[in-house]
Amino acid sequence: DAKTTQPNSMESNEEEPVHLPCNHSTISGTDYIHWYRQLPSQGPEYVIHGLTSNVNNRMASLAIAEDRKSSTLILHRATLRDAAVYYCILRDVVGQNFVFGPGTRLSVLP
Amino acid sequence: NAGVTQTPKFQVLKTGQSMTLQCAQDMNHEYMSWYRQDPGMGLRLIHYSVGAGITDQGEVPNGYNVSRSTTEDFPLRLLSAAPSQTSVYFCASSYGQGGNSPLHFGNGTRLTVT
Repeated sequence: DAKTTQPNSMESNEEEPVHLPCNHSTISGTDYIHWYRQLPSQGPEYVIHGLTSNVNNRMASLAIAEDRKSSTLILHRATLRDAAVYYCILRDVVGQNFVFGPGTRLSVLP
Repeated sequence: NAGVTQTPKFQVLKTGQSMTLQCAQDMNHEYMSWYRQDPGMGLRLIHYSVGAGITDQGEVPNGYNVSRSTTEDFPLRLLSAAPSQTSVYFCASSYGQGGNSPLHFGNGTRLTVT
């Protein structure tokens, strides 16, 4: 399975944008990039996913580099409720299983 | 729409006891899976199923059994609990097993084995 690399932790101020990076230099052409987040004492929650083009939804935006070796999850306006561990994961079309790394712990300061 | 439902939320077992963690989904998802999460770590895959009657092992299957007799249910059985199985267990499902299918998670079962 292709692996991803994320910073262990990041901090942001409330109401400011947050850019969470993810490197996936061994990504294959059929790997989708998924992002999940896990709030304290809860199960992971789907945030967004994409293949090649940038994606937007009500929660966030996903910016994918042209060579697809990195991506960035963008929270446009961080709130205290966005404090969580964010996981960047690859999943291919054939259906290999998700491999979760330690993720990035995001702290949001009031 | 309940999504993925896990029961119980909490469980304490003595070493050697057996139990079944329940997982049910009402989204008609073909793919279901079980993960465990140890403190400060990411999730590790235990077992998964790509449809009724089909199961397979994940990264850490030892000590656990699964079956998938219906699309909706995917129970996880601990045959003889050990302290090393103290963890939080998450069940997850997706419409398909391909990359374009997001995973939906339950809220977990916190298991302590003494």
